[in-house]
Amino acid sequence: DAGVIQSPRHEVTEMGQEVTLRCKPISGHNSLFWYRQTMMRGLELLIYFNNNVPIDDSGMPEDRFSAKMPNASFSTLKIQPSEPRDSAVYFCASKPTGARTEAFFGQGTRLTVV
Amino acid sequence: AQSVTQLDSQVPVFEEAPVELRCNYSSSVSVYLFWYVQYPNQGLQLLLKYLSGSTLVKGINGFEAEFNKSQTSFHLRKPSVHISDTAEYFCAVNGRGTDKLIFGTGTRLQVFP
Repeated sequence: DAGVIQSPRHEVTEMGQEVTLRCKPISGHNSLFWYRQTMMRGLELLIYFNNNVPIDDSGMPEDRFSAKMPNASFSTLKIQPSEPRDSAVYFCASKPTGARTEAFFGQGTRLTVV
Repeated sequence: AQSVTQLDSQVPVFEEAPVELRCNYSSSVSVYLFWYVQYPNQGLQLLLKYLSGSTLVKGINGFEAEFNKSQTSFHLRKPSVHISDTAEYFCAVNGRGTDKLIFGTGTRLQVFP
């Protein structure tokens, strides 16, 4: 398997624009996570899905953020409208269901909002 | 709910010296504990994990960690570090019965020659 695949790797956008980040999890993994990494706050869990269903979105910072998982092989994180404070590295991770299992991370999307 | 505290944001150390990266957790349920490493411009990868049994866990690249239930700690150690160990290290906790994997804020290990 190619691992967790995220696109794009880098995104520069203007404030107010819509941004969509994409993730393809490892085949067979039932759980998918979106994290945001910043210097100030470290690695924050935004939302996670199990079997394509959102389980916990308590980490989503505002209504401007939304995430979907229409099928087992694809998820999106959307920010609309984007703001400069959304600039961060966004990671997608997947793992088999279960608290004992290891999470596998994508390479991340570095988002810059100017 | 679970939480993880990594008190040291940065740890500078000379090559071949020992190092300890501290991690404390809080949880109302039993947990599984993990250490991940992030090299520059990459995603995170698993170093080691504690699930049950022996409290001393050995991982990749010569790292080990010890689970201490009474102190709710899971400190990471290496007896002799190498320049290539320079990276960000994250402690993580997953409560039993959930899939929610929570990370600490990370510790940047900087190894100097």
